[in-house]
Amino acid sequence: EAQVTQNPRYLITVTGKKLTVTCSQNMNHEYMSWYRQDPGLGLRQIYYSMNVEVTDKGDVPEGYKVSRKEKRNFPLILESPSPNQTSLYFCASRITGANTEAFFGQGTRLTVV
Amino acid sequence: QKEVEQNSGPLSVPEGAIASLNCTYSDRGSQSFFWYRQYSGKSPELIMFIYSNGDKEDGRFTAQLNKASQYVSLLIRDSQPSDSATYLCAVLLGYSTLTFGKGTMLLVSP
Repeated sequence: EAQVTQNPRYLITVTGKKLTVTCSQNMNHEYMSWYRQDPGLGLRQIYYSMNVEVTDKGDVPEGYKVSRKEKRNFPLILESPSPNQTSLYFCASRITGANTEAFFGQGTRLTVV
Repeated sequence: QKEVEQNSGPLSVPEGAIASLNCTYSDRGSQSFFWYRQYSGKSPELIMFIYSNGDKEDGRFTAQLNKASQYVSLLIRDSQPSDSATYLCAVLLGYSTLTFGKGTMLLVSP
């Protein structure tokens, strides 16, 4: 089954404790991205990657890091989480092209206390 | 700055009615336009996309695109309570980044 898998689904952590949210896709998509979704603010892109070893900042990259060492994986790293990073996070992947659908992971609800 | 604007709603319609959801975008270079449905706490799922001016129909859903007016809409015919969700408009500029609107909440009452 074609899918994007995120882990964990739910996470409560403390300020400053480094964490990684994993994202993996089995569709051989070149393009992967991370979004955060907050009430009233919609989906905002954090980082994206157009292929292996190619990453770039989205609209809200501060406080986040990513890597793309393999085509299927695109982890999101919070080196020192803060309460304002409490949010619902989605990973998405798609084939690079004009009319191609973005497939989303199930979401990770992160709470930083 | 790329912007995608949607009325946040809620848009309330009775069961069986037509729901009309609207979206405007700022970048004239935008190439493709997507409508996603999102239930609360769940991930967005694609309803349909459109890239040519005019209408595109898929079952009860019709997407309409007017590039001159920078406007895209989604019509849902014979609305059902199960259609109650937030509808996200997304715009593709180039071949990579999808920019999303904040979404319109639709409520369909039985």
